[in-house]
Amino acid sequence: AQSVTQLDSQVPVFEEAPVELRCNYSSSVSVYLFWYVQYPNQGLQLLLKYLSGSTLVKGINGFEAEFNKSQTSFHLRKPSVHISDTAEYFCAVSDRSNFGNEKLTFGTGTRLTIIP
Amino acid sequence: ETGVTQTPRHLVMGMTNKKSLKCEQHLGHNAMYWYKQSAKKPLELMFVYNFKEQTENNSVPSRFSPECPNSSHLFLHLHTLQPEDSALYLCASSHGLLTGTDGYTFGSGTRLTVV
Repeated sequence: AQSVTQLDSQVPVFEEAPVELRCNYSSSVSVYLFWYVQYPNQGLQLLLKYLSGSTLVKGINGFEAEFNKSQTSFHLRKPSVHISDTAEYFCAVSDRSNFGNEKLTFGTGTRLTIIP
Repeated sequence: ETGVTQTPRHLVMGMTNKKSLKCEQHLGHNAMYWYKQSAKKPLELMFVYNFKEQTENNSVPSRFSPECPNSSHLFLHLHTLQPEDSALYLCASSHGLLTGTDGYTFGSGTRLTVV
Protein backbone atom coordinates (compact mmCIF):
# COMPACT_ATOMS: atom_id res chain seq x y z
CA ALA A 1 0.00 0.00 0.00
CA GLN A 2 1.14 3.52 -0.68
CA SER A 3 0.87 6.61 1.50
CA VAL A 4 1.67 10.31 1.31
CA THR A 5 2.81 12.57 4.13
CA GLN A 6 2.63 16.34 4.03
CA LEU A 7 4.17 17.36 7.33
CA ASP A 8 3.28 21.03 7.14
CA SER A 9 -0.43 21.74 7.43
CA GLN A 10 0.07 25.50 7.13
CA VAL A 11 2.91 27.54 5.63
CA PRO A 12 2.91 31.37 5.84
CA VAL A 13 5.33 33.12 3.47
CA PHE A 14 5.98 36.77 2.69
CA GLU A 15 5.25 37.92 -0.83
CA GLU A 16 8.20 37.53 -3.23
CA ALA A 17 9.97 35.12 -0.84
CA PRO A 18 10.77 31.54 -1.87
CA VAL A 19 8.71 28.62 -0.63
CA GLU A 20 9.08 24.86 -0.31
CA LEU A 21 6.16 22.56 0.46
CA ARG A 22 7.26 19.15 1.61
CA CYS A 23 5.91 15.80 0.46
CA ASN A 24 7.15 12.34 1.36
CA TYR A 25 5.69 9.12 0.08
CA SER A 26 5.82 5.47 0.96
CA SER A 27 5.46 2.69 -1.60
CA SER A 28 6.92 -0.72 -2.24
CA VAL A 29 6.98 -0.15 -6.00
CA SER A 30 7.76 2.63 -8.45
CA VAL A 31 5.30 5.49 -8.45
CA TYR A 32 3.93 8.43 -10.35
CA LEU A 33 3.78 11.65 -8.33
CA PHE A 34 1.51 14.66 -8.60
CA TRP A 35 0.93 18.06 -7.05
CA TYR A 36 -2.51 19.63 -7.12
CA VAL A 37 -3.61 23.13 -6.11
CA GLN A 38 -7.02 24.08 -4.75
CA TYR A 39 -8.08 27.71 -4.69
CA PRO A 40 -10.94 28.72 -2.34
CA ASN A 41 -14.29 27.18 -3.28
CA GLN A 42 -12.78 25.41 -6.27
CA GLY A 43 -11.87 21.85 -7.20
CA LEU A 44 -8.32 20.55 -7.40
CA GLN A 45 -6.21 21.55 -10.39
CA LEU A 46 -3.13 19.67 -11.60
CA LEU A 47 0.02 21.71 -10.96
CA LEU A 48 2.65 19.24 -12.18
CA LYS A 49 3.50 15.56 -12.32
CA TYR A 50 6.50 13.25 -12.32
CA LEU A 51 6.27 10.15 -14.48
CA SER A 52 9.88 9.32 -15.40
CA GLY A 53 13.06 10.89 -16.75
CA SER A 54 14.39 14.16 -15.37
CA THR A 55 13.87 14.41 -11.63
CA LEU A 56 13.16 18.15 -11.83
CA VAL A 57 9.65 18.80 -13.07
CA LYS A 58 8.29 22.19 -14.02
CA GLY A 59 4.62 23.03 -13.72
CA ILE A 60 2.23 25.91 -14.11
CA ASN A 61 2.45 29.27 -12.33
CA GLY A 62 6.24 29.03 -11.89
CA PHE A 63 6.17 26.01 -9.60
CA GLU A 64 8.61 23.11 -9.84
CA ALA A 65 9.19 19.90 -7.92
CA GLU A 66 12.10 17.54 -7.53
CA PHE A 67 11.76 13.78 -7.27
CA ASN A 68 14.25 12.24 -4.88
CA LYS A 69 14.03 8.47 -4.92
CA SER A 70 16.51 7.84 -2.12
CA GLN A 71 14.65 10.18 0.22
CA THR A 72 11.22 9.21 -1.17
CA SER A 73 10.37 12.88 -1.47
CA PHE A 74 8.70 15.13 -4.01
CA HIS A 75 8.97 18.66 -2.61
CA LEU A 76 7.29 21.58 -4.35
CA ARG A 77 9.15 24.88 -4.75
CA LYS A 78 8.68 28.37 -6.09
CA PRO A 79 11.49 30.96 -6.04
CA SER A 80 9.21 33.98 -5.56
CA VAL A 81 5.58 33.72 -4.45
CA HIS A 82 2.70 36.02 -5.27
CA ILE A 83 -0.50 36.82 -3.40
CA SER A 84 -2.39 34.75 -5.97
CA ASP A 85 -0.51 31.62 -4.83
CA THR A 86 -2.57 31.55 -1.64
CA ALA A 87 -4.28 28.16 -1.83
CA GLU A 88 -4.18 24.60 -0.53
CA TYR A 89 -1.67 22.25 -2.12
CA PHE A 90 -2.05 18.48 -2.27
CA CYS A 91 0.62 15.90 -3.04
CA ALA A 92 -0.58 12.59 -4.52
CA VAL A 93 0.95 9.27 -5.53
CA SER A 94 -0.16 6.60 -8.01
CA ASP A 95 1.19 3.07 -7.96
CA ARG A 96 2.88 2.20 -11.27
CA SER A 97 2.29 -1.49 -10.81
CA ASN A 98 -1.48 -1.19 -11.05
CA PHE A 99 -1.28 -1.66 -14.82
CA GLY A 100 -2.84 1.68 -15.50
CA ASN A 101 -5.31 1.81 -12.65
CA GLU A 102 -5.03 5.43 -11.73
CA LYS A 103 -6.09 5.28 -8.11
CA LEU A 104 -4.43 8.23 -6.45
CA THR A 105 -3.56 8.48 -2.78
CA PHE A 106 -3.65 12.09 -1.55
CA GLY A 107 -1.80 13.78 1.26
CA THR A 108 -3.65 15.85 3.85
CA GLY A 109 -2.78 19.12 2.15
CA THR A 110 -0.70 22.21 2.97
CA ARG A 111 -2.37 25.58 3.22
CA LEU A 112 -0.04 28.23 1.75
CA THR A 113 -0.75 31.77 2.91
CA ILE A 114 1.07 34.66 1.28
CA ILE A 115 1.65 37.66 3.52
CA PRO A 116 1.76 41.04 1.75
CA GLU B 1 -18.13 22.31 -22.85
CA THR B 2 -14.98 20.57 -21.68
CA GLY B 3 -13.65 19.32 -18.37
CA VAL B 4 -15.68 18.11 -15.41
CA THR B 5 -18.87 19.98 -14.56
CA GLN B 6 -20.69 19.68 -11.25
CA THR B 7 -24.16 20.96 -10.49
CA PRO B 8 -25.41 22.57 -8.42
CA ARG B 9 -22.49 24.62 -7.07
CA HIS B 10 -24.30 25.24 -3.79
CA LEU B 11 -27.05 23.26 -2.09
CA VAL B 12 -28.85 23.77 1.19
CA MET B 13 -31.11 20.96 2.27
CA GLY B 14 -33.05 19.87 5.31
CA MET B 15 -32.42 16.56 6.99
CA THR B 16 -35.62 15.09 5.59
CA ASN B 17 -35.06 16.21 1.99
CA LYS B 18 -33.97 14.16 -1.00
CA LYS B 19 -31.63 15.76 -3.48
CA SER B 20 -29.09 14.73 -6.09
CA LEU B 21 -25.67 15.99 -7.10
CA LYS B 22 -24.67 15.70 -10.74
CA CYS B 23 -21.27 15.32 -12.36
CA GLU B 24 -20.59 15.30 -16.09
CA GLN B 25 -17.32 14.91 -17.98
CA HIS B 26 -16.57 15.37 -21.68
CA LEU B 27 -12.99 14.10 -21.61
CA GLY B 28 -13.57 10.56 -22.80
CA HIS B 29 -12.56 9.23 -19.39
CA ASN B 30 -13.70 5.84 -18.14
CA ALA B 31 -13.33 6.23 -14.38
CA MET B 32 -15.23 8.62 -12.11
CA TYR B 33 -14.91 9.36 -8.42
CA TRP B 34 -16.79 11.04 -5.57
CA TYR B 35 -14.78 12.72 -2.82
CA LYS B 36 -15.93 14.44 0.37
CA GLN B 37 -13.90 17.38 1.62
CA SER B 38 -14.71 18.61 5.12
CA ALA B 39 -13.07 21.51 6.89
CA LYS B 40 -9.76 20.58 8.52
CA LYS B 41 -10.02 16.94 7.37
CA PRO B 42 -8.26 15.04 4.58
CA LEU B 43 -9.94 14.30 1.28
CA GLU B 44 -12.18 11.27 1.70
CA LEU B 45 -12.67 8.96 -1.25
CA MET B 46 -16.30 7.82 -1.25
CA PHE B 47 -16.94 5.89 -4.46
CA VAL B 48 -15.08 4.79 -7.59
CA TYR B 49 -16.64 3.76 -10.89
CA ASN B 50 -14.74 2.15 -13.76
CA PHE B 51 -16.64 1.68 -17.03
CA LYS B 52 -19.93 2.32 -15.16
CA GLU B 53 -19.22 -0.41 -12.62
CA GLN B 54 -18.71 0.51 -8.97
CA THR B 55 -15.29 -0.72 -7.94
CA GLU B 56 -14.94 0.93 -4.57
CA ASN B 57 -17.21 1.99 -1.73
CA ASN B 58 -15.28 3.22 1.27
CA SER B 59 -17.80 2.35 3.97
CA VAL B 60 -20.03 5.24 2.99
CA PRO B 61 -23.38 5.43 4.87
CA SER B 62 -26.38 4.28 2.87
CA ARG B 63 -27.90 7.77 2.95
CA PHE B 64 -25.45 8.43 0.10
CA SER B 65 -26.39 6.51 -3.05
CA PRO B 66 -24.25 6.81 -6.20
CA GLU B 67 -25.42 6.18 -9.73
CA CYS B 68 -23.36 5.96 -12.91
CA PRO B 69 -25.63 5.48 -15.94
CA ASN B 70 -22.76 5.89 -18.42
CA SER B 71 -19.07 6.79 -18.43
CA SER B 72 -19.83 10.51 -18.80
CA HIS B 73 -22.30 10.98 -15.95
CA LEU B 74 -22.16 10.38 -12.23
CA PHE B 75 -24.80 11.17 -9.64
CA LEU B 76 -24.85 11.20 -5.87
CA HIS B 77 -28.35 10.80 -4.44
CA LEU B 78 -28.81 12.17 -0.95
CA HIS B 79 -31.54 11.42 1.59
CA THR B 80 -32.02 11.91 5.32
CA LEU B 81 -28.62 13.53 5.72
CA GLN B 82 -27.08 14.72 8.97
CA PRO B 83 -25.52 18.12 9.71
CA GLU B 84 -22.07 16.47 9.77
CA ASP B 85 -22.56 15.63 6.10
CA SER B 86 -22.14 19.31 5.28
CA ALA B 87 -19.01 19.52 3.11
CA LEU B 88 -17.63 20.19 -0.34
CA TYR B 89 -18.36 17.20 -2.58
CA LEU B 90 -15.90 16.81 -5.40
CA CYS B 91 -16.25 14.74 -8.52
CA ALA B 92 -13.22 13.63 -10.54
CA SER B 93 -12.55 11.58 -13.63
CA SER B 94 -9.57 9.81 -15.16
CA HIS B 95 -8.66 7.47 -17.98
CA GLY B 96 -9.00 4.62 -15.52
CA LEU B 97 -7.63 1.36 -16.75
CA LEU B 98 -6.10 2.75 -19.92
CA THR B 99 -3.17 4.64 -18.48
CA GLY B 100 -1.80 5.64 -15.13
CA THR B 101 -0.08 8.83 -16.09
CA ASP B 102 -2.67 11.57 -16.33
CA GLY B 103 -3.94 11.82 -12.80
CA TYR B 104 -7.44 13.08 -12.15
CA THR B 105 -9.46 15.99 -13.50
CA PHE B 106 -11.65 17.52 -10.83
CA GLY B 107 -14.87 19.46 -10.99
CA SER B 108 -15.38 22.65 -8.98
CA GLY B 109 -17.44 20.85 -6.37
CA THR B 110 -20.85 21.20 -4.76
CA ARG B 111 -20.91 23.00 -1.42
CA LEU B 112 -23.55 21.15 0.59
CA THR B 113 -25.08 22.51 3.77
CA VAL B 114 -27.46 20.31 5.78
CA VAL B 115 -29.73 22.23 8.13
